[in-house]
Amino acid sequence: ETGVTQTPRHLVMGMTNKKSLKCEQHLGHNAMYWYKQSAKKPLELMFVYNFKEQTENNSVPSRFSPECPNSSHLFLHLHTLQPEDSALYLCASSQETGPRTYEQYFGPGTRLTVT
Amino acid sequence: GNSVTQMEGPVTLSEEAFLTINCTYTATGYPSLFWYVQYPGEGLQLLLKATKADDKGSNKGFEATYRKETTSFHLEKGSVQVSDSAVYFCALRARTGANNLFFGTGTRLTVIP
Repeated sequence: ETGVTQTPRHLVMGMTNKKSLKCEQHLGHNAMYWYKQSAKKPLELMFVYNFKEQTENNSVPSRFSPECPNSSHLFLHLHTLQPEDSALYLCASSQETGPRTYEQYFGPGTRLTVT
Repeated sequence: GNSVTQMEGPVTLSEEAFLTINCTYTATGYPSLFWYVQYPGEGLQLLLKATKADDKGSNKGFEATYRKETTSFHLEKGSVQVSDSAVYFCALRARTGANNLFFGTGTRLTVIP
């Protein structure tokens, strides 16, 4: 149990659908992250939130829209995705961002398939 | 820029064999270095870390030493078990900027009885 949960665990959606991924952390952290894990590629950082404020958007297409209503919850809203967006989407949290080395705790991921 | 290169897998070993997974990095300044492990169906878990040169991280029989002169952080274990089968990721965190991790592509390890 890592203290970071993600729902759903698996999602299949068509290119015209709209869906949302949810992440919740029970660790009292203030920073949350979305990563994309594709086969044979390094994990790609997508978004970073610190104290509910977005601090990083790593050139992610606008069809991915994050939302962080509070420090415990993070959403990734999806619309008009492409088949190449099929991947494992991982959420992580840490105490906060900044110059200190705070450990990141990862959720189990949502396996997304775009048809 | 910041990047991590780790040996491509998959790696298949017999139980009790010696394991080495190579990892080298490029970074501005002196980063912190990490090994993460991902068991089937689960998210990444921190396995060990080192925050400065010559530090040795260790956990569950795994070790890695931060080598500044060779910019390396190779993962080793003296005797692997079937339960060690997983994907292993080397990562770095730069000293400057946000708490962002840069990951390698991962190395899949399969240990057979």
